This record gives sequence, C-alpha cells and structure tokens, in this order.
Amino acid sequence: GQQVQQSPASLVLQEGENAELQCNFSSTATQLQWFYQSPGGSLVSLLSNPSGTKHTGRLTSTTVTKERRSSLHISSSQTTDSGTYLCAIVSNTGNYKYVFGAGTRLKVIA
Amino acid sequence: GPKVLQIPSHQIIDMGQMVTLNCDPVSNHLYFYWYKQILGQQMEFLVNFYNGKVMEKSKLFKDQFSVERPDGSYFTLKIQPTALEDSAVYFCASSFDRTSAETLYFGSGTRLTVL
Repeated sequence: GQQVQQSPASLVLQEGENAELQCNFSSTATQLQWFYQSPGGSLVSLLSNPSGTKHTGRLTSTTVTKERRSSLHISSSQTTDSGTYLCAIVSNTGNYKYVFGAGTRLKVIA
Repeated sequence: GPKVLQIPSHQIIDMGQMVTLNCDPVSNHLYFYWYKQILGQQMEFLVNFYNGKVMEKSKLFKDQFSVERPDGSYFTLKIQPTALEDSAVYFCASSFDRTSAETLYFGSGTRLTVL
C-alpha cells in the first residue's frame, strides 16, 4: 500500500531558528496537505500543496511531484509552533482518501 | 474558516456498550471521513462516505462499526458493541469534492475511552 514517511521524527529548536520538515511518499500524489496537530490533539490544515511552492506566513512548502517528496519550512520558529506536523497525501490509485505520515514532533524552546 | 464540529469531545463508556460519535460537517460538503488515532500513534483512515454510501473502508473498520448521515443531519460513527481496543481519538473530516485543489477539513476529535 501507499506509504508516507516523515523526517525527522522529532526536532528541538531554539526560538528564532528555522525548521525543515520532510515528507516522502511511495506513490504519485494528486493531493498533499500539511497539518499541525497541537499538543492537545486538535488538527489544523496548514497548506494544501500537491505541486510547486506555496507560502503562508512563516511557512513555505515545496512539493516535487516527480520525486515524490515535499518539504515544510518554518522560519523564525516560535514556542507556539511546538506540536506535531503531519503530512498527508491522496494517491492517484483507488478511492479518494488521505494517508498520513507518522509526523514530526517539533519542540521550540525559548 | 469552515468548521467541522464533533460532539461530544470526550466519551467514556463500558466495554460492550454502544456508542455514537457525531459529526457536523461543513455545510456544503459532500464527502465525509472518519479517522482513528490511538494516543501517540499515527492517524489511520477508517472510512469515507459519499451520497449515502460507504466508498471505501479500511481493515480497521470492523463489522461492529457503521456510518450514516440520515437526511443531511449529523454524519455518525456507531460502534456496537465497543471493545477496549476502540479507545482512541476519532476525527471526522469533510470536503466539497475530490479534486486535487480541494482541502480536507477536520474536526477537533472525540476522545473515546472504553473501560
């Protein structure tokens, strides 16, 4: 079945540092979203980016569809960025469903 | 932005009882999903639903599970009877259609504890 691998599994940063999160997937993705899951568990969509580069605020996502990879760059990290970042894709086979990676746990310390 | 509401946020029940998890999707959305996340583990797809029918379900969607959305009301996940391994957070999601440009919106989850 399709697999989504995220790296690193965890990351600790000093406030103000940048973060680079990676997502690799084993089948062609027709849709890709990055989500933020708070320590309390709620899920928020950050970016929808099946191809190319997208920016929103301090976030930049770059997806290279042919190479089956996406990255999420967080600039000038803040303590409130702490949480888990999830990558999810919809593959071009089968029914329309998102498959999630295991996530990157980010901790930003002051 | 659009919101998916889940009721209740927490539910504690005894093993063997029935439980219904309710989801109020975004008002004009047509596709609905349930996901399961055991504490500290990966988000796992359970089922997706469109036009009154299950489109696809995973092996986690046991025979004790059922979904429905009667007359455009809540999209529900019913578990009958519950088992200890059903303890998890259940997330509902919805989208308007299935194009690559479409965003999936998630609720904040229902934490189910089966004792």
